[in-house]
Amino acid sequence: AQSVAQPEDQVNVAEGNPLTVKCTYSVSGNPYLFWYVQYPNRGLQFLLKYITGDNLVKGSYGFEAEFNKSQTSFHLKKPSALVSDSALYFCAVRDGYGGSQGNLIFGKGTKLSVKP
Amino acid sequence: NAGVTQTPKFQVLKTGQSMTLQCAQDMNHEYMSWYRQDPGMGLRLIHYSVGAGITDQGEVPNGYNVSRSTTEDFPLRLLSAAPSQTSVYFCASSYSEQSGNTIYFGEGSWLTVV
Repeated sequence: AQSVAQPEDQVNVAEGNPLTVKCTYSVSGNPYLFWYVQYPNRGLQFLLKYITGDNLVKGSYGFEAEFNKSQTSFHLKKPSALVSDSALYFCAVRDGYGGSQGNLIFGKGTKLSVKP
Repeated sequence: NAGVTQTPKFQVLKTGQSMTLQCAQDMNHEYMSWYRQDPGMGLRLIHYSVGAGITDQGEVPNGYNVSRSTTEDFPLRLLSAAPSQTSVYFCASSYSEQSGNTIYFGEGSWLTVV
């Protein structure tokens, strides 16, 4: 069965420092991986996705993610964190194998806190 | 540029009452779905639809019904509300069920059952 793990409930970073939010996955076929961000009392906003091709994917708001097939990881990164990046981040895999017809399977989320 | 629109934003229900959460999208998306979000549990799939007239159950379908009479609309019905259904509900859509398509979310509906 497909699954996604976000090993850290919370990540704390100082403004201006690089940030990494970790995600590992388990899929039966090709991985289709997504990152979403949720600000308080708001819906989920799409950041970026990996389908195929270049292992470094660039997305919205200066975020990028590195796909690593051997480590089954898809970590979210940003070179210089902003206080406004503080939010809840979700990693997800879109399940396209075994008849589940393309549903998103989410990790439990990581709360990012960026301090001035 | 409406995208995925959910109503109501907030609702308080009494145990045993029924209600419908509305979801509409204006992007001509074939795939639509409903998730619930609970603290520490991420988002869990309730029901989904790959096109008008087609619906199927997700991970946590009990206590909920859906229908898809048009491409645009995908309402979620709570048949007899229970406190365990207190949650934040998100409707989502994408062009198709193919895994490479991005899924877009509405702003959420906060439901409290007392």
